[in-house]
Amino acid sequence: EVQLVESGGGLVQPGGSLRLSCAASGFTFSSYWMHWVRQAPGKGLVWVSRINSDGSSTSYADSVKGRFTISRDNAKNTLYLQMNSLRAEDTAVYYCARGPLTMINAFDIWGQGTMVTVSS
Amino acid sequence: EIVLTQSPATLSLSPGERATLSCRASQSVSSYLAWYQQKPGQAPRLLIYDASNRATGIPARFSGSGSGTDFTLTISSLEPEDFAVYYCQQRSNWPPTFGPGTKVDIK
Repeated sequence: EVQLVESGGGLVQPGGSLRLSCAASGFTFSSYWMHWVRQAPGKGLVWVSRINSDGSSTSYADSVKGRFTISRDNAKNTLYLQMNSLRAEDTAVYYCARGPLTMINAFDIWGQGTMVTVSS
Repeated sequence: EIVLTQSPATLSLSPGERATLSCRASQSVSSYLAWYQQKPGQAPRLLIYDASNRATGIPARFSGSGSGTDFTLTISSLEPEDFAVYYCQQRSNWPPTFGPGTKVDIK
């Protein structure tokens, strides 16, 4: 079964850091671009970051550029999001999502999400 | 950044009725538009990609159409499990962006 499972969310104070993980199974992880998409409580979906299949190229939304770092370990089939200098507006459910091989920047498989709350 | 606008914000219908959801882009996205369904407490699910192609396992009652700036998602006959929020998303220009969503609820 193709599956993505996020972990690492939680409550963190403003200015703090958190690292999210996304464990992939059921497909050849190393062949796919991967993305992080977030959803603030009661709000819509916002793309956050993406990484290409071998990890050599990354992109970020302007709102997180310089604070968040996406990475991957293809040997461990795991995607990461290092989040530093967190702000209240980063509070959201964070989803990892797979980018289909033939559709750059679409998202065909999603994890269940992990909640990040930034609050004092 | 391409802005997507969805209408209506809420669509109140009964099971068995036809649902027509609209997505408009601030500039042409060619056919690079997808539709996702999200139920409460769940992750989004890809329904339609590249405007009119159903994703794997998606029932035939879901169909998409359009190109350029105007797109439509049609659910031919609503099933109880179809009441959810639907988002459109463009992948034509960087960064990928989503519409604000249309909620389809039970009348």
